[in-house]
Amino acid sequence: QKEVEQNSGPLSVPEGAIASLNCTYSDRGSQSFFWYRQYSGKSPELIMFIYSNGDKEDGRFTAQLNKASQYVSLLIRDSQPSDSATYLCAVETSGSRLTFGEGTQLTVNP
Amino acid sequence: DARVTQTPRHKVTEMGQEVTMRCQPILGHNTVFWYRQTMMQGLELLAYFRNRAPLDDSGMPKDRFSAEMPDATLATLKIQPSEPRDSAVYFCASGLGPINEQFFGPGTRLTVL
Repeated sequence: QKEVEQNSGPLSVPEGAIASLNCTYSDRGSQSFFWYRQYSGKSPELIMFIYSNGDKEDGRFTAQLNKASQYVSLLIRDSQPSDSATYLCAVETSGSRLTFGEGTQLTVNP
Repeated sequence: DARVTQTPRHKVTEMGQEVTMRCQPILGHNTVFWYRQTMMQGLELLAYFRNRAPLDDSGMPKDRFSAEMPDATLATLKIQPSEPRDSAVYFCASGLGPINEQFFGPGTRLTVL
């Protein structure tokens, strides 16, 4: 089992819809969770981080964390074509390091 | 405008040659990471340093890869000898700790023929 798994995608949504990106992790002791966005040919950039169970909202982005289910998700409301990118889930794993998932490619169609 | 810089941005070399990649972290950041990204494996951590000391290099093939921080403004990743399977994008990132936000450089795209 991989330490961090993301829905493989690609995910395609129409402009204005909600995009839902999911991530599960295996280390029950993980405390810190991050979502990075990576445009094609560019480097990853942080969108959000979450440490506590529940929801955390930042503009059109909402991160959701459920430690009991070892599940973290990212919702993008009112999706825009500029949101088209690969989204990487990163989880603190043993040894105090971040382990990245393989990413989910999102396409928002105008 | 604080950002991580990496050189070279692109490198094409032949199998067996030595490759050196350089990274300048953001001033004040005490943690530096080296990652490799491929389509097949995604983003893999190769090594990271805190306060210039290597903390974890378990992701790095020791026989051919080496990583150093000769000073706080420079991190290097060296491959000797290079092999075609090393072809990837190598990212350097810096931050204020291993589980805090990491700021990525633009990457070095390496092609080994």
